[in-house]
Amino acid sequence: GESVGLHLPTLSVQEGDNSIINCAYSNSASDYFIWYKQESGKGPQFIIDIRSNMDKRQGQRVTVLLNKTVKHLSLQIAATQPGDSAVYFCAENSGTSGTYKYIFGTGTRLKVLA
Amino acid sequence: DSGVTQTPKHLITATGQRVTLRCSPRSGDLSVYWYQQSLDQGLQFLIQYYNGEERAKGNILERFSAQQFPDLHSELNLSSLELGDSALYFCASSVRQGGTEAFFGQGTRLTVV
Repeated sequence: GESVGLHLPTLSVQEGDNSIINCAYSNSASDYFIWYKQESGKGPQFIIDIRSNMDKRQGQRVTVLLNKTVKHLSLQIAATQPGDSAVYFCAENSGTSGTYKYIFGTGTRLKVLA
Repeated sequence: DSGVTQTPKHLITATGQRVTLRCSPRSGDLSVYWYQQSLDQGLQFLIQYYNGEERAKGNILERFSAQQFPDLHSELNLSSLELGDSALYFCASSVRQGGTEAFFGQGTRLTVV
């Protein structure tokens, strides 16, 4: 079946350190992936995306790595700040015959320690 | 502000009742997605519309239905409500059906008592 899962439900990091959040996906046909950040009481907020023809993409303080061989996605946050505390979701965009949907994992809670 | 508007923000209703959640997508976005998020859970895909037509369905209950209107706003109808339907319901929109980021609204928190 379709599933996108996360290895670590909670990640605690020291302020200033780098954070790495991992995600495994199951649909090898998925061609587009997104990382979202969700703060308490708010809707998911787009962070960064990557297409299947790439294996790395960098944004501001964030980097997404895609390993299609093992169907693995990771989000790296450099110099983690208190404002980065949130739940992070990876999502795969998959579809057939013109229908598309974003399948989300259960999320990883990132706690930034002062 | 993502540009996606959901109303109401909060809704409290009794079991057995019916409610309608409304979503206005970002200007220019043709695709609308509905998701359910239970406490400390991920986002469960319910249904997707593109330019007024249903395009994809997830694990949406038969008691739930949705539609997208000509002005592209969408409504999610939940009927015969049960306690287990209490959750956050999110709407997202994207300019295309896939391959592009989807922007989420702030959600409607539904509490069934």
